[in-house]
Amino acid sequence: DSGVTQTPKHLITATGQRVTLRCSPRSGDLSVYWYQQSLDQGLQFLIQYYNGEERAKGNILERFSAQQFPDLHSELNLSSLELGDSALYFCASSAHTSGETQYFGPGTRLLVL
Amino acid sequence: ILNVEQSPQSLHVQEGDSTNFTCSFPSSNFYALHWYRWETAKSPEALFVMTLNGDEKKKGRISATLNTKEGYSYLYIKGSQPEDSATYLCAFNAGKSTFGDGTTLTVKP
Repeated sequence: DSGVTQTPKHLITATGQRVTLRCSPRSGDLSVYWYQQSLDQGLQFLIQYYNGEERAKGNILERFSAQQFPDLHSELNLSSLELGDSALYFCASSAHTSGETQYFGPGTRLLVL
Repeated sequence: ILNVEQSPQSLHVQEGDSTNFTCSFPSSNFYALHWYRWETAKSPEALFVMTLNGDEKKKGRISATLNTKEGYSYLYIKGSQPEDSATYLCAFNAGKSTFGDGTTLTVKP
């Protein structure tokens, strides 16, 4: 158990819908990262937040957004969902920077029908 | 677009064999190199974070080396065991992480 929690574990929704994935980092970690693993692709970095502020941005679509709240939990919002958004979404956390050990949560599996 | 390459793509070894994999990455703008172990139906588990050229890290039978000037890192597993079967991922970090596709190791008893 990494100490990072993600909810829900599974999510099934329809095209055009909007969903919110939630992540709670390890106690004391200030950085949260979101990653996507699609069926035919490796792990892709989406976005990093540090202590409430966006720190780094990767291959995140404009339809996707994230935020980190004062209690340090983070939410990833996916809107206007398409079939291709079906993927495993991981959240990870680290103490401060991306050069430190990142601890991954169990992931949320999203299926868009 | 950053290119992080891992080789081989897959590897089958007998229990007790020692093995190694390679991660190649750009030699500029280096910040950190991460190694992860990823078992099926689980989430990636951090093995090592390496930040300095010449770094060597060890955890039990697994060790890693780093050469930032030539842009590669090696992961070694000594005396492979069936429980080492997993996909080993490296991630090059230059402020944000770019992952390789991984090396899938299968250790046969």
